Amino acid sequence: GEDVEQSLFLSVREGDSSVINCTYTDSSSTYLYWYKQEPGAGLQLLTYIFSNMDMKQDQRLTVLLNKKDKHLSLRIADTQTGDSAIYFCAEKSGGSYIPTFGRGTSLIVHP
Amino acid sequence: NAGVTQTPKFQVLKTGQSMTLQCAQDMNHNSMYWYRQDPGMGLRLIYYSASEGTTDKGEVPNGYNVSRLNKREFSLRLESAAPSQTSVYFCASSEGTSGGLYEQYFGPGTRLTVT
Repeated sequence: GEDVEQSLFLSVREGDSSVINCTYTDSSSTYLYWYKQEPGAGLQLLTYIFSNMDMKQDQRLTVLLNKKDKHLSLRIADTQTGDSAIYFCAEKSGGSYIPTFGRGTSLIVHP
Repeated sequence: NAGVTQTPKFQVLKTGQSMTLQCAQDMNHNSMYWYRQDPGMGLRLIYYSASEGTTDKGEVPNGYNVSRLNKREFSLRLESAAPSQTSVYFCASSEGTSGGLYEQYFGPGTRLTVT
């Protein structure tokens, strides 16, 4: 089946930028998502990008998509301790209603 | 709007016991899902439902049954719990039943321990 890969951990210092990377295999992916899971809670959609876009910016968040390499990244500028969470990459093709999730990247922000 | 609610929040079972995890959504969504989350394994889809009365197996359905009671409610049943079913269970819902952006909305989770 289709696969979504992420590294499991990322540690950054408060105030630095964080970059979380994701690769996927489905060439028909139309929608790509980043979900955030805070400790003890369910996932919440953070941002998304359509496959016909290269970049999307939303305040401190920048999503980059390299469709040729099937690579998605999430950059968080000026990372704060409140950004500590698990970040899940997910993709979905246009013909499906069920996304495929990566295993999640635990972002640890230390002072 | 409460969104997606799950009960109970925590549960401890002995091996062989049965229980039902309840999930309800008030967003008039068509699709509902059950996932389990284990350390290092991410989210794995157990069952999903595109509409009332229809359910389909996901990636890890063995040991579970589901019921889509109506449009709002989707329950997950463990008939004979095993320690391998110790996990955090999430229910989710989304509007669509076919292609489209269709964000998933997640409940707060049920933390289940089987001893």
